[in-house]
Amino acid sequence: GQSLEQPSEVTAVEGAIVQINCTYQTSGFYGLSWYQQHDGGAPTFLSYNALDGLEETGRFSSFLSRSDSYGYLLLQELQMKDSASYFCAVLYNFNKFYFGSGTKLNVKP
Amino acid sequence: GAVVSQHPSWVICKSGTSVKIECRSLDFQATTMFWYRQFPKQSLMLMATSNEGSKATYEQGVEKDKFLINHASLTLSTLTVTSAHPEDSSFYICSANMAGGQETQYFGPGTRLLVL
Repeated sequence: GQSLEQPSEVTAVEGAIVQINCTYQTSGFYGLSWYQQHDGGAPTFLSYNALDGLEETGRFSSFLSRSDSYGYLLLQELQMKDSASYFCAVLYNFNKFYFGSGTKLNVKP
Repeated sequence: GAVVSQHPSWVICKSGTSVKIECRSLDFQATTMFWYRQFPKQSLMLMATSNEGSKATYEQGVEKDKFLINHASLTLSTLTVTSAHPEDSSFYICSANMAGGQETQYFGPGTRLLVL
């Protein structure tokens, strides 16, 4: 089976840095993805890590440690538009994704 | 970029009726399409995996006779909610990936279903 744990809610101020952690237990693990979802919208892809280490894409970075079954999403220079829910998702059994329960990020002025 | 569309974007129906939702990949051929359901303030739950020309694979607890999936071409998959009931009201989202690109799923905009 698959299980994912991530915080339910995080609050930060504009311009700050925030880290959203994700721990997982899964069989057939291929990689860890992060998705952003605004209220009422569909998820949009942010990142995918198959190997250990840090991947940077603009203001967002994602990290994976396969030995620790742990990853995180790092958001820098927070903007109000970053207020959304962030889901970690494990890719397992080649092409299936199992999503975590999501972290609601509140960015305050 | 890869675009996935869904139609309709929202639907209201009476209990007992059937509703069909279309998912199309607009600018790429999708080897596999996925159907998810998301209840308010909850996560996305995978319902089924759909491959062109073959039967869909349903996740545990998802009734295949209630949620009929047809994947007629490499760009179109349909989900039919048969004999819908109020508890089927949810946000249904499809996604697709390209051949060799299983790590990236492109999501459609979703369909909100309200069953009265």
